[in-house]
Amino acid sequence: DAGVTQSPTHLIKTRGQQVTLRCSPKSGHDTVSWYQQALGQGPQFIFQYYEEEERQRGNFPDRFSGHQFPNYSSELNVNALLLGDSALYLCASSLGGWVYEQYFGPGTRLTVT
Amino acid sequence: AQKVTQAQTEISVVEKEDVTLDCVYETRDTTYYLFWYKQPPSGELVFLIRRNSFDEQNEISGRYSWNFQKSTSSFNFTITASQVVDSAVYFCALSEAGIQGAQKLVFGQGTRLTINP
Repeated sequence: DAGVTQSPTHLIKTRGQQVTLRCSPKSGHDTVSWYQQALGQGPQFIFQYYEEEERQRGNFPDRFSGHQFPNYSSELNVNALLLGDSALYLCASSLGGWVYEQYFGPGTRLTVT
Repeated sequence: AQKVTQAQTEISVVEKEDVTLDCVYETRDTTYYLFWYKQPPSGELVFLIRRNSFDEQNEISGRYSWNFQKSTSSFNFTITASQVVDSAVYFCALSEAGIQGAQKLVFGQGTRLTINP
């Protein structure tokens, strides 16, 4: 049973560029959430997707956008990258209801120079 | 507003010692869920436990145990007879029912646990 997978593992971008991160949920899961984890901090909620719609969003600017596909996989896009966007980006999948635990992928380490 | 506080930034103990990680939370909801996750050096968050706000029964799983006390808004995690493999960063998290049933996890800052041989 495959867990949550994310690609790429590492990424280096320049300020002002755009980046797309990808996530495939655990088998049987239909909900995908994205989190940003700065070094030494706890993960911060970016948004959650369910049935191809953004269901809830955290305190992140519009430069952060996402998409969920019919097969439940998801993408996180960040435009106009800033140095402060350097972080570990974690994808988590779960069943649709809010009572279920979220299972996390290994993350994508984004470095903005 | 939701908030989770893990006051212990780092803990270092010798193998086989017992260790307790503290977690204090704030919420205005009466229905919520609490979680503990482990983050080893590889970076992937590993789910350990989920507890709902109506179930204050303590739970034990092998060397791990959790103590949930609503009266003090705490959800502490104890590792008995610690092992080197327990070394990791541990996060406590809180979840309330969000918009359209969405689940937003609010994490604490984490506690870095080092078990020395």
